[in-house]
Amino acid sequence: AQSVTQLDSHVSVSEGTPVLLRCNYSSSYSPSLFWYVQHPNKGLQLLLKYTSAATLVKGINGFEAEFKKSETSFHLTKPSAHMSDAAEYFCVVTSNAGNMLTFGGGTRLMVKP
Amino acid sequence: NAGVTQTPKFRVLKTGQSMTLLCAQDMNHEYMYWYRQDPGMGLRLIHYSVGEGTTAKGEVPDGYNVSRLKKQNFLLGLESAAPSQTSVYFCASRGYWEAFFGQGTRLTVV
Repeated sequence: AQSVTQLDSHVSVSEGTPVLLRCNYSSSYSPSLFWYVQHPNKGLQLLLKYTSAATLVKGINGFEAEFKKSETSFHLTKPSAHMSDAAEYFCVVTSNAGNMLTFGGGTRLMVKP
Repeated sequence: NAGVTQTPKFRVLKTGQSMTLLCAQDMNHEYMYWYRQDPGMGLRLIHYSVGEGTTAKGEVPDGYNVSRLKKQNFLLGLESAAPSQTSVYFCASRGYWEAFFGQGTRLTVV
């Protein structure tokens, strides 16, 4: 079965500094991977997705992630944090048949002025 | 184009009461999901459906039932609510890749 581990439950950065949110997955096949963002009291929005094409994936709002099969990682990065990036971020993996989505525990990103 | 709509948005139930949460999507997606979100636990899959008339159990199905009589609707039922079912519930529908989520239903069981 597939699983996802987000290595940090909370990350705090200063505005204008880089963001790194870490995600490791476990899977016996080549999965599809996603990052979703959830702003307070809101639904979830797709940031980016990896679907076995390019390993470096660019998403919305300046975010990108790199799929590293050898490390089973899919870390999310952004060169310069903005106050509006403060939110909870979820790493998500598909099941082998592609019918289920499994979520990591989430990382809450705080951005200090 | 409304996307995924959940009703109701808020509900307070007494222990032992029943209720149904409705999820409606207008994107003609085959896959639909019900998740619950609890602090520090991410989103956990309750039940899902891969098409009209089909349902399957997810990670935490106990105490819940679902039905998908029409492709656009996915209903989540609680037959006898318990305080442990206090949570925020999210419905999602999915096409080929991306899943689209509703705004959530905040359910409190007292």
